[in-house]
Amino acid sequence: AQTVTQSQPEMSVQEAETVTLSCTYDTSENNYYLFWYKQPPSRQMILVIRQEAYKQQNATENRFSVNFQKAAKSFSLKISDSQLGDTAMYFCAFTAGTYKYIFGTGTRLKVLA
Amino acid sequence: EPEVTQTPSHQVTQMGQEVILRCVPISNHLYFYWYRQILGQKVEFLVSFYNNEISEKSEIFDDQFSVERPDGSNFTLKIRSTKLEDSAMYFCASSEPQGGLGEAFFGQGTRLTVV
Repeated sequence: AQTVTQSQPEMSVQEAETVTLSCTYDTSENNYYLFWYKQPPSRQMILVIRQEAYKQQNATENRFSVNFQKAAKSFSLKISDSQLGDTAMYFCAFTAGTYKYIFGTGTRLKVLA
Repeated sequence: EPEVTQTPSHQVTQMGQEVILRCVPISNHLYFYWYRQILGQKVEFLVSFYNNEISEKSEIFDDQFSVERPDGSNFTLKIRSTKLEDSAMYFCASSEPQGGLGEAFFGQGTRLTVV
């Protein structure tokens, strides 16, 4: 079975600091995509960053970057220069072409002023 | 920028009543999904839909649920006889023609409250 695990239910970071959210997954597939979604209090799901498993280079989107370790099945999200607007629930998600996305349980991030 | 739109944003219904949640996926997308998030819990897959039929469904998606693409633009989720435990946020999503290996774009969600 394919699973996604986020072991940090809550985290906090000071404004302008860097924080890393952890995610591990389990799959026997070789070709798959990984995502980080942000869910603010409005509860809308907003894509933050995505990573194709066949790409060795870690994805980067402005202040957001990932550390993708395929052998270890690890996909962490690093947020640099944290801003108050980054306060949200963050979900790691996985899809392997089975027409569905599997989400982790989420990490609630609070950015402190 | 194209987006997935869902209506209504919030619906309150009596237990046992039927509800229909509506979604307009992004126009050139071919794969459609419904997900559910009970308050405080993770997002759970309900069903995926491609080529006018269900591609995959979870064990949550039992006989009280059905999906339809009635007119080529809307994608609906019907719950026939709502239960208290159906109270949740329901998200519609769609993805590009390459399907399950592409990015899913989510709507803003419909908050369903069953009383």
